[in-house]
Amino acid sequence: QKEVEQNSGPLSVPEGAIASLNCTYSDRGSQSFFWYRQYSGKSPELIMFIYSNGDKEDGRFTAQLNKASQYVSLLIRDSQPSDSATYLCAVKPGGYQKVTFGTGTKLQVIP
Amino acid sequence: GAVVSQHPSRVICKSGTSVKIECRSLDFQATTMFWYRQFPKKSLMLMATSNEGSKATYEQGVEKDKFLINHASLTLSTLTVTSAHPEDSSFYICSATDGTNSPLHFGNGTRLTVT
Repeated sequence: QKEVEQNSGPLSVPEGAIASLNCTYSDRGSQSFFWYRQYSGKSPELIMFIYSNGDKEDGRFTAQLNKASQYVSLLIRDSQPSDSATYLCAVKPGGYQKVTFGTGTKLQVIP
Repeated sequence: GAVVSQHPSRVICKSGTSVKIECRSLDFQATTMFWYRQFPKKSLMLMATSNEGSKATYEQGVEKDKFLINHASLTLSTLTVTSAHPEDSSFYICSATDGTNSPLHFGNGTRLTVT
């Protein structure tokens, strides 16, 4: 069983729409949650991190965490073609350093 | 802040030679560094975890004698691919963190091609 699951996509949204990316995880003891964006041929870059239940907003991005349901999501408002990339969900268990990555969701924003 | 520098960005070498990749944390002390490899259109694969001053911990299936990792200081880790073969051609990425709950910050990656 995978520890961090994401729909591989591609998820296609029109420019200006809200893109919703979801991730579920199996370890209830997980403490830290991260979203990374990876363009083709490039390394991942950190977009958001969240530690507490609820929403965290940063510009056009909102991360949502629900520990009871073991899911974390990323909303991208006013999606732009430049947002087209693969989005990786990452989860870190409490007390450990090793981060577990999902396989990523490919997002396509259609102009 | 939290910049990780990785060099070289691209290297081509002949089969049988060794290649060293450097990973530096420029503005923070990296207690732990991680090395990943990624094949085209595939997900990140963790190769090993290194802590400053101690031996690296390798993931199952990763040959420690082939992929030598040294974490000599809190700002520098190196990965040496020894006796490289064409099947070692891949995208190698390092990442670093300065604390238990801190995010991983990634270097720009090294694209290795073995001919």
